[in-house]
Amino acid sequence: DAKTTQPPSMDCAEGRAANLPCNHSTISGNEYVYWYRQIHSQGPQYIIHGLKNNETNEMASLIITEDRKSSTLILPHATLRDTAVYYCIVMVREWNQGGKLIFGQGTELSVKP
Amino acid sequence: GEEVAQTPKHLVRGEGQKAKLYCAPIKGHSYVFWYQQVLKNEFKFLISFQNENVFDETGMPKERFSAKCLPNSPCSLEIQATKLEDSAVYFCASSQRVEVHEQYFGPGTRLTVT
Repeated sequence: DAKTTQPPSMDCAEGRAANLPCNHSTISGNEYVYWYRQIHSQGPQYIIHGLKNNETNEMASLIITEDRKSSTLILPHATLRDTAVYYCIVMVREWNQGGKLIFGQGTELSVKP
Repeated sequence: GEEVAQTPKHLVRGEGQKAKLYCAPIKGHSYVFWYQQVLKNEFKFLISFQNENVFDETGMPKERFSAKCLPNSPCSLEIQATKLEDSAVYFCASSQRVEVHEQYFGPGTRLTVT
């Protein structure tokens, strides 16, 4: 699985957009970008994923560069409850992978009033 | 149920004692995953099951750790002769399919070995 690089921490003002970057320069053509987050020692929670097109759901948007070497998770209107560690994970979806998640260090996002 | 349930919430064991953790997956989910989080951001995959069969055990320490998922019972993770380094939060996740984005995590069991 491709290695990812994320900034260790970021701050964001409440109500503003939070843009969390992830570098994955060695990503393979069949690898997806997944984002999970962990709020204060709770179990991780899935946010969004994509292959090459930009994606949006009720939680966030995912922007993947054309060369797929980096991506950005966007929380459009961050709230205090979005304070969490955000993990960018790059992996294949082949069934024999086993679906196990390989977490990196993540980005600790602090949303401030 | 609609949530993954893990018991106990906290477990304290003296070094050398046995620890047993339980996980009840979401009803209808065939896959169960165990992860260990030692430090704040360091997750390690341990083992996964498809129903009662081991699906992937590549992360499982060969000694002292064992796990089971038996029909009509919660899944369990057992650590024989615990060591200080086993202190961690152990998360269980379940999934209906082997899809990365469909894993639902439980609240975790915090194991403290003293």
